[in-house]
Amino acid sequence: AQTVTQSQPEMSVQEAETVTLSCTYDTSENNYYLFWYKQPPSRQMILVIRQEAYKQQNATENRFSVNFQKAAKSFSLKISDSQLGDTAMYFCAFITLSGSARQLTFGSGTQLTVLP
Amino acid sequence: DGGITQSPKYLFRKEGQNVTLSCEQNLNHDAMYWYRQDPGQGLRLIYYSQIVNDFQKGDIAEGYSVSREKKESFPLTVTSAQKNPTAFYLCASTWDRVSNQPQHFGDGTRLSIL
Repeated sequence: AQTVTQSQPEMSVQEAETVTLSCTYDTSENNYYLFWYKQPPSRQMILVIRQEAYKQQNATENRFSVNFQKAAKSFSLKISDSQLGDTAMYFCAFITLSGSARQLTFGSGTQLTVLP
Repeated sequence: DGGITQSPKYLFRKEGQNVTLSCEQNLNHDAMYWYRQDPGQGLRLIYYSQIVNDFQKGDIAEGYSVSREKKESFPLTVTSAQKNPTAFYLCASTWDRVSNQPQHFGDGTRLSIL
């Protein structure tokens, strides 16, 4: 079975500081994609960043970057220069590329609050 | 602007009643998905469709049905067999044929029991 674990249900950070959200996953597959989604109070799901498992280089998107440790099956998200608009629920997810039934598996989420 | 439109935003179901949630996209995406979200949990896949007239069950398909008669539309029916339908429902679509990872999400429908 494929699982995603986010061990931090809630986190907070001061505005302009840096915060890291952790995520671990379990799969026997070797070829997959990893994602971080953001869900603000509006409830819309927004893709923050994605990482292909075959790439060793960590993905970055402006203030968002990941630390991908394939052997450890770890995929943490770092948010630099936190802004009030970053307050949201953050979900880690992955999808394997084997077979035809490609399904996203989500973690239970981390509620991040950015404090003024 | 292109996007996904879900309606209604709020929906109430009576006992023994079937209700249908609408999902329409004008992004020309082939693949569409329905997810259910319960409080404190991530999304769980109900059904997905990779092309018109074809769809597959996800992890929690029991009590739900879908159709995909048009590329733009992927309605979800919550049947009376679904005993615990109260949840937030999200529709998504993707153009990414490699990962099939949903690229766009709708704003969701909140379903409650009367």
